Amino acid sequence: AQSVTQLGSHVSVSEGALVLLRCNYSSSVPPYLFWYVQYPNQGLQLLLKYTTGATLVKGINGFEAEFKKSETSFHLTKPSAHMSDAAEYFCAVSDLYNTDKLIFGTGTRLQVFP
Amino acid sequence: EAEVAQSPRYKITEKSQAVAFWCDPISGHATLYWYRQILGQGPELLVQFQDESVVDDSQLPKDRFSAERLKGVDSTLKIQPAELGDSAMYLCASSADRSYEQYFGPGTRLTVT
Repeated sequence: AQSVTQLGSHVSVSEGALVLLRCNYSSSVPPYLFWYVQYPNQGLQLLLKYTTGATLVKGINGFEAEFKKSETSFHLTKPSAHMSDAAEYFCAVSDLYNTDKLIFGTGTRLQVFP
Repeated sequence: EAEVAQSPRYKITEKSQAVAFWCDPISGHATLYWYRQILGQGPELLVQFQDESVVDDSQLPKDRFSAERLKGVDSTLKIQPAELGDSAMYLCASSADRSYEQYFGPGTRLTVT
């Protein structure tokens, strides 16, 4: 079965510092890949997605992620953290047989300090 | 901007009682999803509808959970009887065909006492 591993349940950075949230997946076939953000007591919002084409994907709020097939990774980055980036971030992959079905990682909570 | 609506936002119920959640997807979205998110974990798909038909309910505990989308628009998820382990956030999402972009509602936080 496919799975998603997010290394680090908590990440803390200073405002203005680089944000790096790690995501690795297990799949025999390159899946579709997603990053979602969740603010407290709210639903999830799509940050970016990779389906086909360019492996470097740009999303909303200055985030981007790169699909690396050889490393089975899809790490999320942002050059300069802002206080408003503090939230829970989830990496997800599409199911092999039902590409509409998402399999989520356990999430990474990002804290941003002034 | 169109949004997925869910109600109630919060629900407290006693063990063995019945509880129901409602979801109204974005207009025109044929696919509707119900997820369960246990505290500290990622969402897990419970059931997926394409119009009024169930596409995937492999993770739905069918002995106590049921879901319907009778007219292919809004949907109801029911739990009967509720158990302590059902305490979680229940999220509804919808998507347009082949968009691979799911829009989530604000969720219903269920507490079973």
